[in-house]
Amino acid sequence: AQSVTQLGSHVSVSEGALVLLRCNYSSSVPPYLFWYVQYPNQGLQLLLKYTSAATLVKGINGFEAEFKKSETSFHLTKPSAHMSDAAEYFCAVSDQGAAGNKLTFGGGTRVLVKP
Amino acid sequence: EPEVTQTPSHQVTQMGQEVILRCVPISNHLYFYWYRQILGQKVEFLVSFYNNEISEKSEIFDDQFSVERPDGSNFTLKIRSTKLEDSAMYFCASRRGQASYGYTFGSGTRLTVV
Repeated sequence: AQSVTQLGSHVSVSEGALVLLRCNYSSSVPPYLFWYVQYPNQGLQLLLKYTSAATLVKGINGFEAEFKKSETSFHLTKPSAHMSDAAEYFCAVSDQGAAGNKLTFGGGTRVLVKP
Repeated sequence: EPEVTQTPSHQVTQMGQEVILRCVPISNHLYFYWYRQILGQKVEFLVSFYNNEISEKSEIFDDQFSVERPDGSNFTLKIRSTKLEDSAMYFCASRRGQASYGYTFGSGTRLTVV
């Protein structure tokens, strides 16, 4: 079964500093990978996805993520944090092959941005 | 941009009562899902639905749960006899085709069982 591990349930960054959120997956074949953001009391919004094309993926709000097969990782970064980035971020994985396959989520990382 | 719509946004129910959570997926999507998120915890898969039948369900999705797509537009999750531990945010999601297209989530229904 697929699994996703997000290292660090909470991350605190200063405004303007680098945001780095870690995600590792376990899968025998490279899956599709996604990052979602959840603002307080809201739903899940897709930030970006990796679907076997370019390994460096750019998403919304200045976020990007790099797929590294050798490290089974898909870490999310943003060069300069903004106060509006305070939210919870979820990494998720889906098998490429299965037609109706589900998303499996990591435990989430809550980001706090300090002024 | 097309959206997945969930109603109601918040529902309070008494323990033992039946609840139906409603979702309207994006119109040309073929795959449908329910997830739940207990407060402060991770998002958990409940069930996937394709071609008018369940394609996969989790251990959470026991006999108390059922799903239906009654009219080709709505996708519902029914909990027959709610328990306190069913209190959670329930998310509906849909997908057009292959997983590479991505999954679109609704804003969720917060279910509170008292």
